[in-house]
Parts: sequence; structure tokens; C-alpha cells
Amino acid sequence: AQTVTQSQPEMSVQEAETVTLSCTYDTSENNYYLFWYKQPPSRQMILVIRQEAYKQQNATENRFSVNFQKAAKSFSLKISDSQLGDTAMYFCAFMNPLNYGGATNKLIFGTGTLLAVQP
Amino acid sequence: DSGVTQTPKHLITATGQRVTLRCSPRSGDLSVYWYQQSLDQGLQFLIQYYNGEERAKGNILERFSAQQFPDLHSELNLSSLELGDSALYFCASSASLAGGRNEQFFGPGTRLTVL
Repeated sequence: AQTVTQSQPEMSVQEAETVTLSCTYDTSENNYYLFWYKQPPSRQMILVIRQEAYKQQNATENRFSVNFQKAAKSFSLKISDSQLGDTAMYFCAFMNPLNYGGATNKLIFGTGTLLAVQP
Repeated sequence: DSGVTQTPKHLITATGQRVTLRCSPRSGDLSVYWYQQSLDQGLQFLIQYYNGEERAKGNILERFSAQQFPDLHSELNLSSLELGDSALYFCASSASLAGGRNEQFFGPGTRLTVL
């Protein structure tokens, strides 16, 4: 079974600094997707960034980028120029895309990292 | 705004009762997922529907059931409620069933409190 591990329950960063959130996962699959979701105090789940396992290039979305190490099964999120609005819980998630044959594209989440951006 | 709507936003009920949570997916999305977020279990997948048919089940209790209607909205029914069922219940939707981008967009959630 696939599992996702986030080993940092809480992190803190100063405004305008850079922070990296860690995520490791376990799977025997070769084709899958990885995601980072942000959950601010409003509790809304917001997709931050996604990575397709067959793509070697790391995904980037503005100030957010990932370091995807497939062999190490590691998927870290880097937030550059941190802003107060980045304060939130961040969840790493794994998905094995549905293939006709029984797999499911459900999301498997880690336990989350609570990030506090300090002014 | 993700385009996924959920009602009600908050629900307070008593143990032993039954409630129904409603979800409307984004326009054009055929797949609906239900997730439960609780302090002790974290975020976990409950069930998935695609175009009216159940496609996958996760850690969903037998007291819980769901369905997706012809207009693609979905309902999650929780019965014989227990204190431990208090949680935030999310609905998410995605466009396709297989391949593609398969991004899931989440609704705002329904906060269920069982007293």
C-alpha cells in the first residue's frame, strides 16, 4: 500500500525567507502523481503544485517549486520569498492515476506540516 | 473559489442521528470524491463516484453511504452517528476517470459536530 510521510509537524520561517517542507512516499508503482495542497485557517484545500512521476523536470509555480527525487521517493516543497499569506497547513499527497483494471485515483495524504510565516 | 459547493457548512447533531451532506461538483466534472478530516485520522479518502457509479472505496464505515445522482451532485449519508464521527467532510471533483491531469478540486467542507 502507498504511504506518505511528512516528518516535520511544524515549521517557522521569517517573511521573505525561503523554507523547504519535506515529504517521502512509498510505492511500487512507476506512474503516479504527487501534489502539495495548502490548507489555510479557512480550512479550504488549495492545490499548490503537482508533479508527474514520469517527468524528470521539477515543477514550479511562481514562488513554489519542488525537488522530486524519484529513486529516493522524496518530494519536497520549496517556498521562496515567504509571505504572511503562506501561513497554513501543507499536505503532501500521492495519487496513482486510475487505469482500467482496478486502480483508483484517490489521494493519499501525509499528516501535514504547519507552516508559520513570522513578520 | 474552486467551483465545488458543499452544503451545509456546519452541522450540529446528536449521537444516534442521521445526516446528509451534499456536494455539487465543478461544471463538467464527472468524478466526485469524499474525504474525512479528523484530528485522530488525518485526511482520509472515503469513497469515489464517477458518472453515477461507485468506483472506489476507502476507509468508509458501514454506517456511511453515498450516491451520485444523474445531475452529478453527490450526497454522503451518515447514520447512527457517534462522537468520533465529528470531523470536516470534504467533497472534491475531477474531470476524468483515467489519465489526464486528474487534479482534484476541493469544496469548502462541511463541519460536522456530534454531541
